[in-house]
Amino acid sequence: QSVLTQPPSVSGAPGQRITVSCTGSSSNIGAGYDVHWYRQLPGTAPKLLIYDYSRRASGIPDRFSGSKSDTSASLAITGLQVEDEADYYCHSYDSGLNGHVFGSGTKVTVL
Amino acid sequence: EVKVVESGGGLVQPGRSLRLSCVASGFTFDDHAMHWVRQVPGKGLEWVSHIGWDSENIEYAESVKGRFTVSRDNAKNTLYLRMDSLRNEDTGIYYCGRVSVFATAIDHWGQGTRVTVSS
Repeated sequence: QSVLTQPPSVSGAPGQRITVSCTGSSSNIGAGYDVHWYRQLPGTAPKLLIYDYSRRASGIPDRFSGSKSDTSASLAITGLQVEDEADYYCHSYDSGLNGHVFGSGTKVTVL
Repeated sequence: EVKVVESGGGLVQPGRSLRLSCVASGFTFDDHAMHWVRQVPGKGLEWVSHIGWDSENIEYAESVKGRFTVSRDNAKNTLYLRMDSLRNEDTGIYYCGRVSVFATAIDHWGQGTRVTVSS
């Protein structure tokens, strides 16, 4: 059971906008630790999408954006495409655990 | 091209040991902290360990503390994970990841090496 909670699944039609939430607490996101987002296609390693809440990694299109609010963070994907079908994970640090933590993961499905 | 390549995985009995390696190329290895992250196939990512560029700031997940030891040899551009007293629940794909110099994010991941703990 991760201390960063994500919805198990999110879906949308091509072209739509979806958001993936990452809910933490005062010992991680609420404490000001940075949040990063990764995408993982089936059978492959994760890939960095967003770092420090809202900065896009090299080569990531501006369809992907990130934000923060209190003890949670969100990843938004606009203009949803079939190739966006993947698992998405948030990542931060937790001072109570004295270690890094990943979110529980969200499977994005394009209808 | 930045690359990190894991090796050393395999089938091992419970209670035994295994050492994973991660060889880095295409960048200045000792400029970067590194992580080990694991994943049971079909499940989520689980952070395992972190080591600073200078072998300081070493941290472990509670699930592996006291059993796993992370180290690095900057002269060999290699990261290691020594895993002792292995348990069935340590089974999974182990990834090494390079920490960005600009953030605490993992900006490059290896392809992973599979560890199976079973009798």
